[in-house]
Amino acid sequence: DTAVSQTPKYLVTQMGNDKSIKCEQNLGHDTMYWYKQDSKKFLKIMFSYNNKELIINETVPNRFSPKSPDKAHLNLHINSLELGDSAVYFCASSPTGGALDIQYFGAGTRLSVL
Amino acid sequence: GQSLEQPSEVTAVEGAIVQINCTYQTSGFYGLSWYQQHDGGAPTFLSYNALDGLEETGRFSSFLSRSDSYGYLLLQELQMKDSASYFCAVHRSNYQLIWGAGTKLIIKP
Repeated sequence: DTAVSQTPKYLVTQMGNDKSIKCEQNLGHDTMYWYKQDSKKFLKIMFSYNNKELIINETVPNRFSPKSPDKAHLNLHINSLELGDSAVYFCASSPTGGALDIQYFGAGTRLSVL
Repeated sequence: GQSLEQPSEVTAVEGAIVQINCTYQTSGFYGLSWYQQHDGGAPTFLSYNALDGLEETGRFSSFLSRSDSYGYLLLQELQMKDSASYFCAVHRSNYQLIWGAGTKLIIKP
């Protein structure tokens, strides 16, 4: 059983479109995250949720809207996609969000905006 | 401000030992983690240091000196499958993991 699963694995779309990425974790964790990894491999935190509540929103354009229907799911909706949104998006979870937590990552969604 | 510095690339020979350094500058510090990421894969946790000293897990060890704001990951008996990117990350506070830019480890036969 996959601990953190995200779909789709690949997403190819045109500029201006709207798309969603889904993430689910079956680890019973309280905290979930979205990261963006660009072509230079830099991992940038986008959002952090704890028990469905938004904790961190790191100066991400408001075209990106996360939604957490329950603590096991954190989805990411992106409006009006731009070329610069092309990247790998990783979902992650951790037990409590505490300062000593280990984060567990999904396999990533490779988004290409044409 | 906060920053983490690690080399962008390190090359080593199969069977050898390699050390990947990480220096950090941050307000608030709970510990230093290391993650491995193979090309096309997801980051996976390797080790964590909250206190000064060496933590050993099989062929991998990680070291922390809080007074020097410095840590390193030591990989022994290198295997080709260790070719990957390695990230150090500072646990700054709740919900806050600050990531380095990653070190690409290239292993030659």
